[in-house]
Amino acid sequence: DQQVKQNSPSLSVQEGRISILNCDYTNSMFDYFLWYKKYPAEGPTFLISISSIKDKNEDGRFTVFLNKSAKHLSLHIVPSQPGDSAVYFCAASARYNNNDMRFGAGTRLTVKP
Amino acid sequence: DAGVTQSPTHLIKTRGQQVTLRCSPISGHKSVSWYQQVLGQGPQFIFQYYEKEERGRGNFPDRFSARQFPNYSSELNVNALLLGDSALYLCASSNRDSSRVVFFGSGTQLSVL
Repeated sequence: DQQVKQNSPSLSVQEGRISILNCDYTNSMFDYFLWYKKYPAEGPTFLISISSIKDKNEDGRFTVFLNKSAKHLSLHIVPSQPGDSAVYFCAASARYNNNDMRFGAGTRLTVKP
Repeated sequence: DAGVTQSPTHLIKTRGQQVTLRCSPISGHKSVSWYQQVLGQGPQFIFQYYEKEERGRGNFPDRFSARQFPNYSSELNVNALLLGDSALYLCASSNRDSSRVVFFGSGTQLSVL
């Protein structure tokens, strides 16, 4: 059962423009959401997270938005840089089972110079 | 400070064999989790250990087992390997049992022939 879905396998944007990566989830018990990015031959690197009590969290060029009613979150990167090119994974967990983090299949972001 | 370290980085086994993967967490981290990432998918939770006790188990067969040592390092064992066990095995650590953010190593790429 795929409880976290990233429906866009890939996204290409121009350097300096905004990148928007989307994620949907089905489990209403999820209360904590994370974004990880992964470069080839490396493990996923934690990027930013958000608790369900918030609808926005910002860290530098990265902002995550959470829409609980739509069970949707998005990651905005602005301005996008070529070094942001990587696979981005959305993940979610529930308080009652917080060690079982569920991941989406990932979106490959390519930022073109 | 060293991040999460995993060994070996690559491994080739044949069907029916057994394999042991090793992980050293970030210094000071007492929780270790194991994930399996099949090509084209996101990581899937296998186990979590905290203070040498199993805290969580994902939907994997009994062929998969793990343990954590007094120094908080961990081993993942897989018996009777199947072709479908070919994947990137990721270890992640966190400093608390209830931590919602985990930090990944670079993984062990296992190929079963």
